[in-house]
This record gives sequence, structure tokens and C-alpha cells, in this order.
Amino acid sequence: AQTVTQSQPEMSVQEAETVTLSCTYDTSESDYYLFWYKQPPSRQMILVIRQEAYKQQNATENRFSVNFQKAAKSFSLKISDSQLGDAAMYFCAYRSAFGGGADGLTFGKGTHLIIQP
Amino acid sequence: DTAVSQTPKYLVTQMGNDKSIKCEQNLGHDTMYWYKQDSKKFLKIMFSYNNKELIINETVPNRFSPKSPDKAHLNLHINSLELGDSAVYFCASSQDIRAGASGGELFFGEGSRLTVL
Repeated sequence: AQTVTQSQPEMSVQEAETVTLSCTYDTSESDYYLFWYKQPPSRQMILVIRQEAYKQQNATENRFSVNFQKAAKSFSLKISDSQLGDAAMYFCAYRSAFGGGADGLTFGKGTHLIIQP
Repeated sequence: DTAVSQTPKYLVTQMGNDKSIKCEQNLGHDTMYWYKQDSKKFLKIMFSYNNKELIINETVPNRFSPKSPDKAHLNLHINSLELGDSAVYFCASSQDIRAGASGGELFFGEGSRLTVL
């Protein structure tokens, strides 16, 4: 079974600064997807960024980028120019491509990101 | 239009009661899921259905029974509610990765907060 580990229960960053959230995962599979989801106090689950394992290039979405190290099974999220609206729980998630992905997502325990004005 | 919608958003009930949460998706996805988010924010899959067929049934008490009348709907019925069932329940949907789904992400409903007194 796959596992996802987020070692930082809470992170704090000054507004406009850069912060990196860590995620490692364990799998024996070669074909999979990785995601970062954001959950603000509204509890809505919002996709931040995705990475397909077969793509070597790191994904980028505006101020959000990842550092995907497949051999090390590491998938960190970098948030540049942090904004107050970035304050939320951030979940790292793994999805196997095996069997069409019907297993859904395996989540880490989350990192609570605090943005200080 | 809401892509994945759940009702009700909030549910307060007494121990021992039976309750249902309904979920509908209008994305044309093949697979639907129920996730439970506990008080520590941990998200764990409960069930997944692919084209109305049960794919995953994690170690969930048999008081929880999912029902999928068609591939756009996945309802969750809970019998004999217990205090430990208090949580936020998320419905989600995704396309089959083998169908060339873009990105492979899951789309989540807004969650249903269940409080058992």
C-alpha cells in the first residue's frame, strides 16, 4: 500500500515571502500522479497543482511550483510571494494509475500554513 | 453549475439514529468516492464506485452502506449512528485514468459535517 508523509504539521511565513512544504511518499509503482490540495476554513478541497510521474519537468501554476524527485520519492510544494489567501491546510496526495485509478487518492496528514501579515 | 454537490451540508443528530448523505456529480465521471475527514483533518477513503460497481470498501463498519443508483449519484446511508461517526464526509468523482482523463485529479464536493450528540 502506498503511504504519503507530510512531516510539517504547521508552517508559518511572512506575507510576500516564499515557503516550501515537504512531502514524501512510498510506492513500488512506476506510473502514478501526485497532487497538492488546499483546504481553507471553508473546507472546500481545491486542487493547487498536479504532477504526472512520467513527466520529468516540474509542474508550475503561477506562484505555486513543485520539486519532484522521483528517485527520492519526494514532492515538495513551493509557494512564492505568499498571500493572506494562501492560509489553509495543504494536503499532499498520491494516485495510482494502476486499474484506472479507482483506488482514489491517498492523502498525507496535512500541513497547516499560516501567513503572517 | 456545481460539479459535485452533496446534501445536506450540515447534519446534527442523536446517537442511534439513521441518516443519509446524498451526492451527485454532473461531470460525466465514471468513478465516485466517499472520504471521511476526522477531527485531526485526516482524509481517508471509505468507498469507491466505478460505473455503479463497488471497487473499494475500506475497513468501514457495516453500519455504513453506499448506494449508487446510477453513475452520477453515490449516496451514503449510516445506521445506528455513534459518537465516533462525527466527522466531515466528502464525496468526490474522477474520470477513469485509462480513458485519458486530463490530470487524473479528483473533484470534491463541499463536504457534509455530521455531528452525533
